[in-house]
Order: sequence, then C-alpha cells, then structure tokens
Amino acid sequence: EAGVAQSPRYKIIEKRQSVAFWCNPISGHATLYWYQQILGQGPKLLIQFQNNGVVDDSQLPKDRFSAERLKGVDSTLKIQPAKLEDSAVYLCASSLFRGNSPLHFGNGTRLTVT
Amino acid sequence: QKEVEQNSGPLSVPEGAIASLNCTYSDRGSQSFFWYRQYSGKSPELIMSIYSNGDKEDGRFTAQLNKASQYVSLLIRDSQPSDSATYLCAVNSAGNQFYFGTGTSLTVIP
Repeated sequence: EAGVAQSPRYKIIEKRQSVAFWCNPISGHATLYWYQQILGQGPKLLIQFQNNGVVDDSQLPKDRFSAERLKGVDSTLKIQPAKLEDSAVYLCASSLFRGNSPLHFGNGTRLTVT
Repeated sequence: QKEVEQNSGPLSVPEGAIASLNCTYSDRGSQSFFWYRQYSGKSPELIMSIYSNGDKEDGRFTAQLNKASQYVSLLIRDSQPSDSATYLCAVNSAGNQFYFGTGTSLTVIP
C-alpha cells in the first residue's frame, strides 16, 4: 500500500512570509494528524481530523496556523505569517479510526524560517 | 495535557548488549502503546505495539506494559550499530489521540 505522501520535503522562507504544506494519507485512513517536531523534541500534535471534521486543535496557534481537510482525504497546513520559532519538521500522519491502530507517518517537511 | 515521559539519554550500549528504554504516562485511560524509531533526519517508523499487560516479543525487540504502574518499556537484545536512533514512546488515549514522549537517544558502540 502507498504510504502517507507529503510535500514539499524542504522549505526555506523569511519570517513574516507564508507557507503551505500538503498531505495525502494512506487510502482508507479516516484520521489525519499534523505534528510539529522541533529538533531534539518529540512530535507535538497540532491538529487531528476525523474525516473532514476537526477532533482536536487545542495546540494549534490559530492566530497564524490554519489547516483544512475539505473532502476528508488530503489536507493542507498553512502558516501565515511565519516566525523564527516555527522552524521545525512538520509531520503528517494517518491511522484507521479503530482502536489500537498505529500512526503511519509521512516523510515530513523541514521548514526553516530565516 | 496528557503526559508521556521518557529518559532523554543519551543511552550508550556496546554492540551485543541489551538496551533498555523506559516510558511513563499520565492518562490511566490509555489503551494502546507504541514504540517508534526515528533515525536522524527521518520520520518516525513503528517498531512495536502493545495493548495488554505483560511482554510482547518481536525478534530482538520486547515491549513490556504495566498499566497499574503506567509504565511501558522496550528492550533491544543483541544491540547492533544500526539500532542507533531516537526511540519515541507513543500513547493512544480516548478519541484516537496520540501523545509522544521526547524520545531517548540510543547509541550502540561497535
């Protein structure tokens, strides 16, 4: 089966610019997650979707971050305007909506804000 | 905020030794537990899952779960240099929400 697809792999932008990341989950996976991983730390959940509805976005900085999953399949995460502290790897993951199903991660997008 | 705690390390073991990685979690309602391996510059990959108390073995890896103590561990037997990576403990709480520890960095010395 095809894995979780993410693009781009790398992005360098200046602070105050905007950036968008794209994710396509494994086919049939109803739940999609965006995580932020800062160097040396574990992944931090930004937002969780169940189909096209938001389950948890409590840690999403809503003044600058937004995410959508309009058709319940692929998703985009946007940052506008970016800050230096947004430099991190943004990981998309998906899972079946079923107890005990693990997360499957994409390759991630490494964002550098200068 | 549900917490997952791991010793950040770094943990160094000689080749062929047993590496022991530990994890504690705060949410007593957690139902499933996972260990992910993350090589530098790569995304996490699943290596073990465990759902009930006791031990689960898969090759050189053994996961141990004690829900009463809210404790999960991973043992790596016959450690190899290729096992050098960061190991992330993940806990699945109600609502299919996954929480991660900060990871333990393991170095296997040839």
